[in-house]
Amino acid sequence: GQNIDQPTEMTATEGAIVQINCTYQTSGFNGLFWYQQHAGEAPTFLSYNVLDGLEEKGRFSSFLSRSKGYSYLLLKELQMKDSASYLCAVRGGTYKYIFGTGTRLKVLA
Amino acid sequence: GAVVSQHPSRVICKSGTSVKIECRSLDFQATTMFWYRQFPKQSLMLMATSNEGSKATYEQGVEKDKFLINHASLTLSTLTVTSAHPEDSSFYICSARDRQGGGFNSPLHFGNGTRLTVT
Repeated sequence: GQNIDQPTEMTATEGAIVQINCTYQTSGFNGLFWYQQHAGEAPTFLSYNVLDGLEEKGRFSSFLSRSKGYSYLLLKELQMKDSASYLCAVRGGTYKYIFGTGTRLKVLA
Repeated sequence: GAVVSQHPSRVICKSGTSVKIECRSLDFQATTMFWYRQFPKQSLMLMATSNEGSKATYEQGVEKDKFLINHASLTLSTLTVTSAHPEDSSFYICSARDRQGGGFNSPLHFGNGTRLTVT
């Protein structure tokens, strides 16, 4: 079967760093994507990994280890507006996008 | 960047009626569009893959006669919820990938979603 796991909720303080983990087991792998979704809105694209290693994009970085079926999204210098759900999605062997359960991040002042 | 427009954003309908949701790629052509459903505080569940000029591919457990998908052009896909029931109330989101503009690794771009409430 196909399975993507993320923590359900996380809380962090404004200005801090937070790491959101994602583990996956899928039939085939053609890339892993991270999306941000505010309540009642559509997801917006944050980052993409297809090779092992770290991809950095401003305050956001994403890491991938294909052998471990593991990724994380790192958010630095947290801001209140970063309070949202973060979705990990894997593009599988059939090129369908399978989404994880999502992690609701709450940033506290 | 690639823009996907979805309409309507909110719809309230009575049980037994049908509702049509439109999804348009505004500045690119999309041979494939994806329809997702999202329950409160849950992630996106793929319902079906809409293919331009051919039949949609439905995920296991999704009734194709209830959720009619039509992808008549390279920029428009529609989802019709037929004979809607209160349990169909949900957030429906379409998405597409600008494969030509963004290449193989281009991400999915999402419409703003449709909040369907069936009374």
